[in-house]
Amino acid sequence: DVKVTQSSRYLVKRTGEKVFLECVQDMDHENMFWYRQDPGLGLRLIYFSYDVKMKEKGDIPEGYSVSREKKERFSLILESASTNQTSMYLCASNGGSLSGANVLTFGAGSRLTVL
Amino acid sequence: GQNIDQPTEMTATEGAIVQINCTYQTSGFNGLFWYQQHAGEAPTFLSYNVLDGLEEKGRFSSFLSRSKGYSYLLLKELQMKDSASYLCAGKDSNYQLIWGAGTKLIIKP
Repeated sequence: DVKVTQSSRYLVKRTGEKVFLECVQDMDHENMFWYRQDPGLGLRLIYFSYDVKMKEKGDIPEGYSVSREKKERFSLILESASTNQTSMYLCASNGGSLSGANVLTFGAGSRLTVL
Repeated sequence: GQNIDQPTEMTATEGAIVQINCTYQTSGFNGLFWYQQHAGEAPTFLSYNVLDGLEEKGRFSSFLSRSKGYSYLLLKELQMKDSASYLCAGKDSNYQLIWGAGTKLIIKP
């Protein structure tokens, strides 16, 4: 069963802490994405990567950075967490070019609370 | 600007049919997706439309009208397990997905 695994389902952090969210996929996908999901809003793209060591800003990259050192792993980093970063974070991946009907496979999400 | 609109919440009865509408405004158009998301779980792919018309997959069908910027997801013979949020997403000219806020579907016995 193919999978996108987000290692932390629930995290509670304090304002100013550095936060790492890890995502691993076992489908040999080229493309990986980080979204945040907030009530009443559509998924918003934070960053994506279409290859190892490559990254592209999404719609809301401020306050976040990413790392993709290996094809299967895409990490989201909050350098200094703030309360407005309290959210559900979803990692996703797909293969091939970004055009067409490439279906996203999502992880189950990491719910982050920043106090 | 780019926008996807869908109803916030809908209620339907087990065994019935429900239609969830989605209207979109994107810069260019490269297809429309529907995903299902049960509470606390990952979104999972349901359908993709890029040409006008109806695509049928078992109890679920999805329709697209590009001239109207409109799609719907039709769920037949509703089951309790269909209680979930349904996410509509359009792909723009840069191949980026624009997501609606999702429609929470409540199924009553």
